[in-house]
Amino acid sequence: EIVLTQSPGTLSLSPGERITLSCRASQTVSSNYLAWYQQKPGQAPRLLIYGASSRATGIPDRFGGSGSATDFTLTISRLEPEDFAVYYCQQYVTSPITFGQGTRLEIK
Amino acid sequence: EVQLVESGGGLVQPGGSLRLSCAASGFSFSDHYMEWVRQAPGKGLQWVGRIRNKADNYITEYAASVKGRFTISRDDSQNSLHLQMSSLKIEDTAVYYCIRNDWGILDYWGQGTLVTVSS
Repeated sequence: EIVLTQSPGTLSLSPGERITLSCRASQTVSSNYLAWYQQKPGQAPRLLIYGASSRATGIPDRFGGSGSATDFTLTISRLEPEDFAVYYCQQYVTSPITFGQGTRLEIK
Repeated sequence: EVQLVESGGGLVQPGGSLRLSCAASGFSFSDHYMEWVRQAPGKGLQWVGRIRNKADNYITEYAASVKGRFTISRDDSQNSLHLQMSSLKIEDTAVYYCIRNDWGILDYWGQGTLVTVSS
């Protein structure tokens, strides 16, 4: 199975800052079948990015995804208060579907 | 509007059984693969399994940790998805999410239902 490793584990930041989250795969994620999700406390995950770089419906353009093969990133160009949450990457190129362990964004 | 509403969670003893259901609306349910993902308290996301659509013969796939104990089924006439769980273990305690699969992308998630396995 493909293991996804996210870094860092936790980030403490202020609104307005720009951030980049990393997701590294143990094998090539072909066709860039890599997605990113946001999860707030008590809520289900919400799809942000699919195909490594395509924004899901209704996702603001401050969220951007990039990368290929084994290295992927999620960038938030300017943090808004509602962006403080946990972010997960996920590959869907092969079964079993696997998720990274998550990166938690905290307000500094 | 796509909606997925899970039900059936609760408290069950180790070794027991439970059946979760997911009511789908707002899309052509029969066309889509459907997935279950779970999240243990305070932990990350873990894929449980998938059922394909009729065109792909309703083939099911499972995570190794639940294979042989969990069974996924669907009723396209009722727009419903089910997860039959048996021989439950304490480590199966989690919120279980029903998810629409759109060409591989897990695009819509239900709100989840909590399963607690405890004596």
